[in-house]
Amino acid sequence: NAGVMQNPRHLVRRRGQEARLRCSPMKGHSHVYWYRQLPEEGLKFMVYLQKENIIDESGMPKERFSAEFPKEGPSILRIQQVVRGDSAAYFCASSPAGGVQETQYFGPGTRLLVL
Amino acid sequence: QKEVEQNSGPLSVPEGAIASLNCTYSDRGSQSFFWYRQYSGKSPELIMSIYSNGDKEDGRFTAQLNKASQYVSLLIRDSQPSDSATYLCAVIKGYSTLTFGKGTMLLVSP
Repeated sequence: NAGVMQNPRHLVRRRGQEARLRCSPMKGHSHVYWYRQLPEEGLKFMVYLQKENIIDESGMPKERFSAEFPKEGPSILRIQQVVRGDSAAYFCASSPAGGVQETQYFGPGTRLLVL
Repeated sequence: QKEVEQNSGPLSVPEGAIASLNCTYSDRGSQSFFWYRQYSGKSPELIMSIYSNGDKEDGRFTAQLNKASQYVSLLIRDSQPSDSATYLCAVIKGYSTLTFGKGTMLLVSP
């Protein structure tokens, strides 16, 4: 039973390029969450998605960042025109349903390095 | 005031001792509480969840919640060197999104 899968595990981009991070939730999970962990910082919520819907994007920067979770395929976090400050670990988590008592299971993360 | 506060540590304990990790939260509307363990360079791994006041035990781990004091703790009995990691406290107050503390680093010496 595969857990949450993320790819790529490591991504290097030059300033101004685009970064696309993919997340496949656990089997049977339809809720996906993206978190960012900056060096020496805690995990920060970015966006919460259900299939074809953005439920909460209050943690997402207003510019350059977008996320989707299509009917078919993985969830994608897209960062346009990356800057050095975007260098971080990006974690995806999934849960079978929404709700305050749902456990979120984390993927291995994508480490983004912007040169 | 930070939403979820933890002492950054490191908390050093000898092997076999009890490690006590503490967390306070600011929003009285917080409903669910979680402890995750994160090894360096790895992703968070759920240790315990707790939703109501009191204690919850699972093996060597005990989570304690006091909503009146807005305080949640994690006790690790018979600490092992393999328990050395950063422990993240997280709360849910709305929707399902987790708000994390910065974590407490635990070092268990053989």
